[in-house]
Amino acid sequence: EDQVTQSPEALRLQEGESSSLNCSYTVSGLRGLFWYRQDPGKGPEFLFTLYSAGEEKEKERLKATLTKKESFLHITAPKPEDSATYLCAVHSDYGGSQGNLIFGKGTKLSVKP
Amino acid sequence: ETGVTQSPTHLIKTRGQQVTLRCSSQSGHNTVSWYQQALGQGPQFIFQYYREEENGRGNFPPRFSGLQFPNYSSELNVNALELDDSALYLCASSSRGSGDTQYFGPGTRLTVL
Repeated sequence: EDQVTQSPEALRLQEGESSSLNCSYTVSGLRGLFWYRQDPGKGPEFLFTLYSAGEEKEKERLKATLTKKESFLHITAPKPEDSATYLCAVHSDYGGSQGNLIFGKGTKLSVKP
Repeated sequence: ETGVTQSPTHLIKTRGQQVTLRCSSQSGHNTVSWYQQALGQGPQFIFQYYREEENGRGNFPPRFSGLQFPNYSSELNVNALELDDSALYLCASSSRGSGDTQYFGPGTRLTVL
């Protein structure tokens, strides 16, 4: 069964304090791993897509990496505006579709000034 | 380029009623997926539509149904509302193809009293 587990559930950082969020996954044939940012009460905002182990992508203070079993979202020198819930998802054939997403529960990041 | 839009933003219904939620897909996208997100959880896959036909379904009862129109916009209908149906309903659009990124709308907050 395809599954995504994110840790930690919540993370509190001081402004400028770098850290990493973890996403462990089990899926029969990875066809894409996705990171989204979600602000309270809003829809997920796309950040990155990773397709193969060893792949890395960067955007401003965020860097996503992928291994065969997990992905990391590294946050360098975070700012208060980086506070949000970060969701990890993988493509799955669950339910008979070609490409629906299985999500983790997310990591709620709070960055204090 | 217009992103994914959803209407209404908020909705309050009573148990037993029926509701219709609407979604307009991003320009150039032909696939729409619907997700339900309970508070503190990751989005859960409801179903996906491609070329006006259901293309996969998650673990949701038949009272959850949908439509996709020739312009690729979509509706989610929920009959006989239950208290547990209270959630954020998210629509995502994508181009057909394995591994394609899904882009989410802002969501509809449904409250069932």
